[in-house]
Amino acid sequence: SQQGEEDPQALSIQEGENATMNCSYKTSINNLQWYRQNSGRGLVHLILIRSNEREKHSGRLRVTLDTSKKSSSLLITASRAADTASYFCATGNTNAGKSTFGDGTTLTVKP
Amino acid sequence: NAGVTQTPKFQVLKTGQSMTLQCAQDMNHNSMYWYRQDPGMGLRLIYYSASEGTTDKGEVPNGYNVSRLNKREFSLRLESAAPSQTSVYFCASSGGQGASYNSPLHFGNGTRLTVT
Repeated sequence: SQQGEEDPQALSIQEGENATMNCSYKTSINNLQWYRQNSGRGLVHLILIRSNEREKHSGRLRVTLDTSKKSSSLLITASRAADTASYFCATGNTNAGKSTFGDGTTLTVKP
Repeated sequence: NAGVTQTPKFQVLKTGQSMTLQCAQDMNHNSMYWYRQDPGMGLRLIYYSASEGTTDKGEVPNGYNVSRLNKREFSLRLESAAPSQTSVYFCASSGGQGASYNSPLHFGNGTRLTVT
């Protein structure tokens, strides 16, 4: 079964609006990663947040991590049509030695 | 800098045929992975190699074999293809040993496999 679960499954917004996606997971983690996948392409790494961090920023991206609730959120501010893609969270765990992905949120940004 | 290169990009097989998917990375990464992605779903781990000389099963290893040929190359073999193996296959690499070193994954662009 998948470790991470994204919510919502699909999100449609207007250009300029903010987009928020959530990820919940079940077991303890070392880190949580967010990836973007454009149609027909491989995944591209966006941000990695470690289990001892609570918030991280990269450009228009803001990621939070709440290990007590086993959840993370990805906020994309001032969205652009080019942000249209699927977004995946993945959890990293020392014991597992590998990352486990959720099913993703499909974001559509309308111009 | 090519990153992670997968070949072929597309493949159509008949049930029972075999093939090998090739993956090479030029980032001197220790760990390499094979995932499959079915329509509308996330990635499921087939096999991974935490370091050169080691391989381990992931979530869905049945019907597949892997070879870590050297530090750069990690191949995935389907011995007797089945329609259930129709999917997009992604190879990835990361710098540390597994996720314990907090290293992000770098992905290839995928191999689209159809088994009829």
